[in-house]
Amino acid sequence: DTGVSQNPRHKITKRGQNVTFRCDPISEHNRLYWYRQTLGQGPEFLTYFQNEAQLEKSRLLSDRFSAERPKGSFSTLEIQRTEQGDSAMYLCASPKPGRPTGELFFGEGSRLTVL
Amino acid sequence: KQEVTQIPAALSVPEGENLVLNCSFTDSAIYNLQWFRQDPGKGLTSLLLIQSSQREQTSGRLNASLDKSSGRSTLYIAASQPGDSATYLCAVEYGNKLVFGAGTILRVKS
Repeated sequence: DTGVSQNPRHKITKRGQNVTFRCDPISEHNRLYWYRQTLGQGPEFLTYFQNEAQLEKSRLLSDRFSAERPKGSFSTLEIQRTEQGDSAMYLCASPKPGRPTGELFFGEGSRLTVL
Repeated sequence: KQEVTQIPAALSVPEGENLVLNCSFTDSAIYNLQWFRQDPGKGLTSLLLIQSSQREQTSGRLNASLDKSSGRSTLYIAASQPGDSATYLCAVEYGNKLVFGAGTILRVKS
């Protein structure tokens, strides 16, 4: 257990539905990352928060995707009008505070299947 | 473009063998490099972190090296065990993000 919690662990949905994933990072970690991983590939960067500020977004994050971290603690990733290509594992991670970045702690991931 | 490549894509070895996993990266302006382990259907566990100013890190049977100038890192696993079977991922930090390789799937046969 890394201390990073993600919910739900699995989500099966029909195409066109909206889904939301939640990440609770380690409490003292002020930075938070979302990654997406498809089968046989390494994780791909989606977005990055420093406290409540979303500082960087990947071009992978289309306008159907939105991420928030309202109070600088937990974060949510919402996908609207899901498509089959959205099927993947969505991973949240947080590093220890400070620079350079230290060890990165990942959650167990939220697996999305879009039918 | 910042790319990370891992070779081989898969490796199968008998128990007890020493092995080397390779990682190469195209942009040498890195903050650090991390090696992760991922079990099927699970998240990633950090194994070793090498800062850009360091040459290697060791933890138990694992040793990771970093050569920034050539854009290469290796992960050496000594006396492999069946419990080492997993996917090993290399990730390079650039600015605010890590760029991952596709991983090496390792199988250690008993």
